[in-house]
Amino acid sequence: SQELEQSPQSLIVQEGKNLTINCTSSKTLYGLYWYKQKYGEGLIFLMMLQKGGEEKSHEKITAKLDEKKQQSSLHITASQPSHAGIYLCGADTTANQFYFGTGTSLTVIP
Amino acid sequence: SAVISQKPSRDICQRGTSLTIQCQVDSQVTMMFWYRQQPGQSLTLIATANQGSEATYESGFVIDKFPISRPNLTFSTLTVSNMSPEDSSIYLCSVRTTGFNNSPLHFGNGTRLTVT
Repeated sequence: SQELEQSPQSLIVQEGKNLTINCTSSKTLYGLYWYKQKYGEGLIFLMMLQKGGEEKSHEKITAKLDEKKQQSSLHITASQPSHAGIYLCGADTTANQFYFGTGTSLTVIP
Repeated sequence: SAVISQKPSRDICQRGTSLTIQCQVDSQVTMMFWYRQQPGQSLTLIATANQGSEATYESGFVIDKFPISRPNLTFSTLTVSNMSPEDSSIYLCSVRTTGFNNSPLHFGNGTRLTVT
C-alpha cells in the first residue's frame, strides 16, 4: 500500500505564528489532497494538487507539491484558533484507491 | 459536491453483536469506500464498495468480519460483525463523484462505535 508519512505528528503554536506540515510519499503521487478534521467530526476537503511544482492557496493556507511529486507541504500563515484540528494528506494510487497520511494534530493557543 | 448521510451517527454495542452502518448519497457516484479511524489515528481503508458485486477488501480486512453491500450507485452498508472492544472506532463512508485522480473524496460525518 501507499505509504504517506506526515511530520510533525503534533504541533502546538501560539496564535499568530506561521507553521508548516509536511507529507512525504515513498512513491510518485498521482494526486495529493489535503483534508482537515475537527476533533470528533468528519473530514473537510481543503485542496487538491496534481502537477509537479503546483501551489494553491485558500485564505491563509497554502499547499505545494514538489517537482518530483513525492512531497507536499501545507503552510498556515498567522494561525488562529479556528485552524486547530487534525490535518491529513491523502493520495491516489495506481490501484484506484485512496490512502491517507499519518496525520498532524494542530493546537493553536490563543 | 455530494451530500453524504451516514446512520447511525454513534452507537454503543455489546461484544458479540453486529452493527450495520448505512451510507446514503444524494446523487449517483462512481466510487464508494469505507474507512476506519481508530482513536488518535489516521484513516485506514477497509474496502471499496462495488456496485452489484463483492467489495474489494484491503489487507487485514475480511468479508466475514466486515460484510459490505452496494445495491445501487447511491447507497452502501457496512456491517461490523461479532464485535469486540478492539472494533471501537469511527467508521466513515466516502465517495468519489468522478474517476480516479480527478476529484477529491467526500466524507460523511462518520459513525462513532463503542463496543463494551
